Amino acid sequence: RKEVEQDPGPFNVPEGATVAFNCTYSNSASQSFFWYRQDCRKEPKLLMSVYSSGNEDGRFTAQLNRASQYISLLIRDSKLSDSATYLCVVPSYNTDKLIFGTGTRLQVFP
Amino acid sequence: DADVTQTPRNRITKTGKRIMLECSQTKGHDRMYWYRQDPGLGLRLIYYSFDVKDINKGEISDGYSVSRQAQAKFSLSLESAIPNQTALYFCATTQITNYGYTFGSGTRLTVV
Repeated sequence: RKEVEQDPGPFNVPEGATVAFNCTYSNSASQSFFWYRQDCRKEPKLLMSVYSSGNEDGRFTAQLNRASQYISLLIRDSKLSDSATYLCVVPSYNTDKLIFGTGTRLQVFP
Repeated sequence: DADVTQTPRNRITKTGKRIMLECSQTKGHDRMYWYRQDPGLGLRLIYYSFDVKDINKGEISDGYSVSRQAQAKFSLSLESAIPNQTALYFCATTQITNYGYTFGSGTRLTVV
C-alpha cells in the first residue's frame, strides 16, 4: 500500500456544485493530516490541517476516518477560483518529513 | 518579502553543467527540505536538514548534493546536470513537521 493515495481526477464540476475528494494513508499512527492546494506551476499552499476528527473552514470541510485510514475534503458551492490540484499530505512514520499524494485535479466550469 | 525565497525562479542549463539552486527563509525554522515535482509523480523528497550540521538523504538523492550554510540557507546542487533532472524544484521549511510546511515559489529547471 502506498503511503498516501489519491484519485488523480480530473473532477469537472459546475459552479455551485459540491465535490468531495478522498485520500487513503498507510501510517495508522499519524496524528496530523493536511490538504494543500496547488495552482498550475505554483507552490503548494496549506489549505487545511486536521488533527482530530475533522475541520471546517467556510466552504471547505475535511473529515478524518481513522478506522478506515482515509481523509476527505468536501468543497461546497464550488467557485471558478477553486480550480486547482488538491494534495493530501501525511507525516512519515517517524514524523521527520511529510509525504505528499500525487494530487486530485479539480476543474470548475461556468 | 516572501518567507521562503528560492533563486533562480527559472533556469535553462546544458547537460554536464554544475548548477546550484538556493533557498533562504526568514521564518526561523530549523527544518528545511528540497523536493522535486514531475507531472504525474507528485512531490519527491531529495534531501532534508534539521540543523546546520545535519543532512539527510531523501528518496531520490542520487545526482544531487546539498549544503546547509546557516539556519536560514539551504542550497541544492546538481554536480553534472542531465536532462531527466528537468523538473520544478521546491524548497520547504517547518519548525515541527506536524504543523505542515511553508514552501518557496519554486525553481523551474530545464536541462538541455
